[in-house]
Amino acid sequence: GDSVTQMEGPVTLSEEAFLTINCTYTATGYPSLFWYVQYPGEGLQLLLKATKADDKGSNKGFEATYRKETTSFHLEKGSVQVSDSAVYFCALTPNTGFQKLVFGTGTRLLVSP
Amino acid sequence: DARVTQTPRHKVTEMGQEVTMRCQPILGHNTVFWYRQTMMQGLELLAYFRNRAPLDDSGMPKDRFSAEMPDATLATLKIQPSEPRDSAVYFCASGLVSGQPQHFGDGTRLSIL
Repeated sequence: GDSVTQMEGPVTLSEEAFLTINCTYTATGYPSLFWYVQYPGEGLQLLLKATKADDKGSNKGFEATYRKETTSFHLEKGSVQVSDSAVYFCALTPNTGFQKLVFGTGTRLLVSP
Repeated sequence: DARVTQTPRHKVTEMGQEVTMRCQPILGHNTVFWYRQTMMQGLELLAYFRNRAPLDDSGMPKDRFSAEMPDATLATLKIQPSEPRDSAVYFCASGLVSGQPQHFGDGTRLSIL
């Protein structure tokens, strides 16, 4: 079945450091890929998405590129802020039919001043 | 911005009591999902509906959990009787078509004593 694998956390960085959170997936066909972010005490919010190979999703300084050849969708940000501290979830959904969103286990990011 | 609304935000009750959680999906969305989030298990899909009909509830303990959509503006998740192991944050999400992102509510934090 479809699956998403994320790097283990927590990821601890100093403010203004470069961020990479790795995400790889296994799926048939051409899924859509997402990054969601969850701040403490809140629900998941869509951060960015990509629906086909080579698409780059971007939002709030975060970027991720849909790489079909490596089945990856790594999240990057050039300079993190304390306010980016949260849990980040990589996820996929098939583009055909209507099936459930498949989530990774989440990666906690802690940014210190 | 349109939002998914969940009530109550917090619920504390004793073991054996009935618990009802409610969700108002985004107007026009035709698919509703119920998730449970715990530290140990992460995000688990419990059930989902399309056009108010249940599509998959295989993630839900059938003996005590039930999910319904009495109309397009209301989804409910009931637990009867509740047990301490049901303590978790329950999220509702709604969506429109496959390949597009789901939108999450802020969750119901449930504590069963």
